[in-house]
Amino acid sequence: EVQLVQSGAEVKDPAESLKISCLTSGYDFTNHWIGWVRQMPGKGLEWVAVIHPGGADSRYSPSFEGQVTISADKSITTAYLQWNSLKASDTAIYYCARGFCDSISCYYFDYWGQGTLVTVSS
Amino acid sequence: QSALTQPRSVSGSPGQSVIISCSGTSSDVGVHDYVSWYQQHPGKAPKLILYDVGRRPSGVPNRFAGSKSGNTASLSISGLQADDEADYYCCSYGGTHSTFVFGTGTKVTV
Repeated sequence: EVQLVQSGAEVKDPAESLKISCLTSGYDFTNHWIGWVRQMPGKGLEWVAVIHPGGADSRYSPSFEGQVTISADKSITTAYLQWNSLKASDTAIYYCARGFCDSISCYYFDYWGQGTLVTVSS
Repeated sequence: QSALTQPRSVSGSPGQSVIISCSGTSSDVGVHDYVSWYQQHPGKAPKLILYDVGRRPSGVPNRFAGSKSGNTASLSISGLQADDEADYYCCSYGGTHSTFVFGTGTKVTV
């Protein structure tokens, strides 16, 4: 059974750093892309970034390029999303999801984590 | 890259059918047949219900169907059930500078 289990809710001050995780199981981690999707309070879904753990190729939405870093650790089949300096506008639920992509594009996300609520407030 | 345009809400009675449109451009939806749809119940993670325009993952009932014409994709839900009440998002290849782009989301009320 494919499972994506995300780390727990976080409350941070502005300018702090943060790394959230997505532990996967039930499939070959190095053979599938994995990505992150943001959902701000009461709003829609926004694609953030995807990474191929096997090849370390990563792609970012233009809206998030330079704002976050996606990474993956093959040894523990875990993906990460990291911020160096959080802003109040980063407050949102972040979902990890397994993606179907190729060298040109991504096509869909088939399995999703339960979401991690990130709250940034002073 | 702008979000794809969906109606804010649609509604129908149990047993009826509804159609949700997803309007893009010749740079995203119109490029190829890689539109997917997601269902999200309140407080829950999104769930894939259609991919490649009209293909259903295992376990998704055939009451959900997808189509595409030009730069607009559509999701139809037939035989509406109470559990279909949720938010629905389309998603497509985002063009040269963006790998994915989601729709604005549609609330379905039964």
